[in-house]
Amino acid sequence: QVQLVESGGGEVQPGGSLRLSCAASGFTFSSHGMHWVRQAPGKGLEWVAFVGFAGSIKYSADSVKGRFTISRDNSKNTLFLQMNSLRPEDTAVYFCAKVLTGSPHYLDYWGQGALVTVSS
Amino acid sequence: QSALTQPASVSGSPGQSITISCTGTSSDVGGYSYVSWYQHHPGKAPKLMIYDVSKRPSGLSNRFSGSKSGNTASLTISGLQAEDEAHYYCSSYTSSSTWVFGGGTKVTVL
Repeated sequence: QVQLVESGGGEVQPGGSLRLSCAASGFTFSSHGMHWVRQAPGKGLEWVAFVGFAGSIKYSADSVKGRFTISRDNSKNTLFLQMNSLRPEDTAVYFCAKVLTGSPHYLDYWGQGALVTVSS
Repeated sequence: QSALTQPASVSGSPGQSITISCTGTSSDVGGYSYVSWYQHHPGKAPKLMIYDVSKRPSGLSNRFSGSKSGNTASLTISGLQAEDEAHYYCSSYTSSSTWVFGGGTKVTVL
């Protein structure tokens, strides 16, 4: 069965960096685009970034552009989110999600999330 | 990109039908048929309920249906059940090659 397991979350000071990982199994990782979505405490879902199946196509939200970088290693079935220049408003649970086969627009499997806390 | 507009809360009694609206602009909901809906129980992974405006993933109950008119998409839950109590989010592709979620709607089963 499909499994997505995020890791790398934690507490960091403003201006610091973290790298989230998402280990994928149960499907052909190299054939599917992937997304990161976050949820701040008490808030709704916010789309963060997308990477195509080959890793060459990438899009990100304006709120993280220039600070966050999405990437993937298809040889290790792993998705990454490099987060630099972190701000308190980046505090959230970060979910990785797999796209529905054949479409980049829909997320049919999600991980349980990794908590990132940005605080001094 | 501003979040799509959803009502903060909707409630209904068991067996009733409720509808959640999701309003965007011609640059997102109105411009594409790439609208989806997700159910989210706190502490769990979100679940895809509707995609392509009105399609249901395999195995999903037909009590859930979606539609769109102009810049507004809607999710209808018929025969409301206790397990439907959750947060629901709409999502759309945008003209900026990004995706945007709605603010979320808390569904309460009375």
